[in-house]
Amino acid sequence: QQQVKQSPQSLIVQKGGISIINCAYENTAFDYFPWYQQFPGKGPALLIAIRPDVSEKKEGRFTISFNKSAKQFSLHIMDSQPGDSATYFCAARNFGNEKLTFGTGTRLTIIP
Amino acid sequence: DGGITQSPKYLFRKEGQNVTLSCEQNLNHDAMYWYRQDPGQGLRLIYYSQIVNDFQKGDIAEGYSVSREKKESFPLTVTSAQKNPTAFYLCASSIGAGGQETQYFGPGTRLLVL
Repeated sequence: QQQVKQSPQSLIVQKGGISIINCAYENTAFDYFPWYQQFPGKGPALLIAIRPDVSEKKEGRFTISFNKSAKQFSLHIMDSQPGDSATYFCAARNFGNEKLTFGTGTRLTIIP
Repeated sequence: DGGITQSPKYLFRKEGQNVTLSCEQNLNHDAMYWYRQDPGQGLRLIYYSQIVNDFQKGDIAEGYSVSREKKESFPLTVTSAQKNPTAFYLCASSIGAGGQETQYFGPGTRLLVL
């Protein structure tokens, strides 16, 4: 019940295209859903996050879509650029608990 | 320049040896965490500490130990009981407990077994 399932494992998108990464969860006590971006050899960094009281959050080219009834959320990267090539992790946090449960990661490659 | 530092960047462990990974933060954060990252498995929580002199086991604590004697420091010891220690170890911190604060990660330590 603590799992967060992430797909796809890897993704190749052409420059200028839309990258979409999906996550699903079972635990209804999760109430905070961040996405982290990690470049090779570095620690992850928070990219964007959403709470379940909204269905969408946009920051620049990055958008989170959240479907509470389906227990799914996704990251959309518009106008994908080579600099977006990285591994992306979704995560979920239990209310009142500092522990994050991470998805298994998606390696995104943007090709020219 | 605030942030989280981890050292060393690479660490080699021999059979039966205990090794300690350093994590220091100058963000004045109360909570600190240790994660292990393996290919295809995401980040798994080893230990976390919400306050000085207190820490809790995460999902994969066996073979590891921690201490939190100072607010800014949270060292992780990989003991000889950890039979598969090769991984990328990440330390993180957040402002406090009970909220939805961002976790900030250090640059990581890669542990290799000789």
